[in-house]
Amino acid sequence: GQNIDQPTEMTATEGAIVQINCTYQTSGFNGLFWYQQHAGEAPTFLSYNVLDGLEEKGRFSSFLSRSKGYSYLLLKELQMKDSASYLCAVILTGGGNKLTFGTGTQLKVEL
Amino acid sequence: DGGITQSPKYLFRKEGQNVTLSCEQNLNHDAMYWYRQDPGQGLRLIYYSQIVNDFQKGDIAEGYSVSREKKESFPLTVTSAQKNPTAFYLCASSGIYEQYFGPGTRLTVT
Repeated sequence: GQNIDQPTEMTATEGAIVQINCTYQTSGFNGLFWYQQHAGEAPTFLSYNVLDGLEEKGRFSSFLSRSKGYSYLLLKELQMKDSASYLCAVILTGGGNKLTFGTGTQLKVEL
Repeated sequence: DGGITQSPKYLFRKEGQNVTLSCEQNLNHDAMYWYRQDPGQGLRLIYYSQIVNDFQKGDIAEGYSVSREKKESFPLTVTSAQKNPTAFYLCASSGIYEQYFGPGTRLTVT
């Protein structure tokens, strides 16, 4: 079976840095996505990692270690609008670009 | 503007009725997907289609049906056989790898 684990909730302070971890155990691996989802809205793409290492995009960075089945999303200079759910998703091998999602991490940014 | 549209945003039905959710995309993507999202759970794949006139079951296909007669359209029918149909339904499409999501339809069945 496929297993993707993320913390359920996290709280951080405006202006701070937060790291959201994701571990996965899947029968195949073709890459890992991070999406942001505000309540009642569609998920929006944040990052994609297929090779080991860090991908940086503005205030957001994502890291992948394939050998450890581990990824993290790093959010810098937190803003109130970053309060949202962050979804980790793995593309499985076998065609179809099928994604398997974790349950998401609800991030609350406080003053 | 390019994107994915889903309608309606909110849908209410009585138990025992079939209901069809629409999904249209103008991104020229071959692949389209339907997910269901319940509170506290991740997105779960219902059906997906990689090409016109072809589709495959996802992880929770029971009680649902789809069609893919046109590249742009991938409607989902929630049948009366679906035991817990109340949920947030998301449609997505993908080109090379990234999936783009529509705004979703919140279905409530009473």
